[in-house]
Amino acid sequence: NAGVTQTPKFQVLKTGQSMTLQCAQDMNHEYMSWYRQDPGMGLRLIHYSVGAGITDQGEVPNGYNVSRSTTEDFPLRLLSAAPSQTSVYFCASRADRAGTGELFFGEGSRLTVL
Amino acid sequence: DAKTTQPTSMDCAEGRAANLPCNHSTISGNEYVYWYRQIHSQGPQYIIHGLKNNETNEMASLIITEDRKSSTLILPHATLRDTAVYYCIVRVKAAGNKLTFGGGTRVLVKP
Repeated sequence: NAGVTQTPKFQVLKTGQSMTLQCAQDMNHEYMSWYRQDPGMGLRLIHYSVGAGITDQGEVPNGYNVSRSTTEDFPLRLLSAAPSQTSVYFCASRADRAGTGELFFGEGSRLTVL
Repeated sequence: DAKTTQPTSMDCAEGRAANLPCNHSTISGNEYVYWYRQIHSQGPQYIIHGLKNNETNEMASLIITEDRKSSTLILPHATLRDTAVYYCIVRVKAAGNKLTFGGGTRVLVKP
């Protein structure tokens, strides 16, 4: 198992550009989520999904869109990047949707918006 | 979810036990205590969780006080690779969706 795979690992954008951060897991996990981590800070939840076709907002959803068309993939879209979105983004998955298990995290995607 | 309070940082000697405290005085009866750690810039890693009883696994032990208002994560024999930020999180197990990470404790294991 590869676990949770995030691409790209590094990305530089200009203000106003759009892009998609990819997240895939091969563990057949129902729950997937996206977090962002700013320098010296803890993680903040952006969006999450408890199964294919189901998504919901987390703590800081503005400026981000998600979709969950398959169990394996949970892409995060930035429609018009802003410097405030410069951060490290982590995707995480969990086996069950009810929250009884541990979260598995990807290695992160480091985004810089100029 | 209940708020947690952890020391900002602490040092530990290699080979000694590291005891990481966490205060969660507003915890409610159905809330679990979870511990994760983040090594350098990697994704967080699950360590252990518990409700009332003390728990132990291959990584650590979790000691929860009888009133459940505080807990301690114990790394029995700290190694240099245990240098990381450790997050104590309290949440309802069946809440499903939100796991809130605070500032954590930055642990430096010294030779």
